[in-house]
Amino acid sequence: EVQLVESGGDLVQPGGSLRLSCAASGFTFTNDAMSWVRRAPGKGLEWVSGIWGRGDATFYADSVKGRFTVSSDNSKNMVFLQMNSLRAEDTAMYYCAKGQGRRSFNELDSWGQGTLVIVSS
Amino acid sequence: QSVLTQPPSVSAAPGQRVTISCSGSSSDIGNNFVSWYQHLPGTAPRLLIYENTKRPSGIPDRFSGSKSGTSATLDITGLQTGDEADYFCASWESSLSAVLFGGGTKLTVL
Repeated sequence: EVQLVESGGDLVQPGGSLRLSCAASGFTFTNDAMSWVRRAPGKGLEWVSGIWGRGDATFYADSVKGRFTVSSDNSKNMVFLQMNSLRAEDTAMYYCAKGQGRRSFNELDSWGQGTLVIVSS
Repeated sequence: QSVLTQPPSVSAAPGQRVTISCSGSSSDIGNNFVSWYQHLPGTAPRLLIYENTKRPSGIPDRFSGSKSGTSATLDITGLQTGDEADYFCASWESSLSAVLFGGGTKLTVL
């Protein structure tokens, strides 16, 4: 059974940094791409970032490009999202999700329960 | 970053059918697959449809998807109260190299 468990969400001041983690199990980690998707209060789902299986390419939404960095540790089956220069509009529940294939970001077949990030002074 | 266009809300009675539309462009839906997700805030989103028409295992055949040109549609038949949720379409956007989600459609089962 696929399991994705996010952690690292917190209350942080504008301009601050936070690192989210996602622990994956139940599948061959390097075979599937991983994504971070967020949902802000009162808003819809927004794809934030993705990393190919084996970590050989990364992709970002324009809204976070230059501020967020996605990475993975294949030895630990973990994905990370380093978030810098945080803004109030980054406040959201952040979900880790698995794609169906090494380069797949558009078919997210398993999701974690999310970790909450609040950016506020 | 632009989103795909969905109606904000739809509603129907139990047992009835609803259709949710999703409109995009040649850079996204027109040349890439469409997926559909169901989401209740506070829970994990669920993949309902991928590659325009395919259902993951465990998704009932009451849910079906289609695509034509730069638009896609999610059909839900035999509505149940448990179907009340937000529904999102998604597609890869080739010029941005990113996934775009629709704005979401809130389904109310009256």
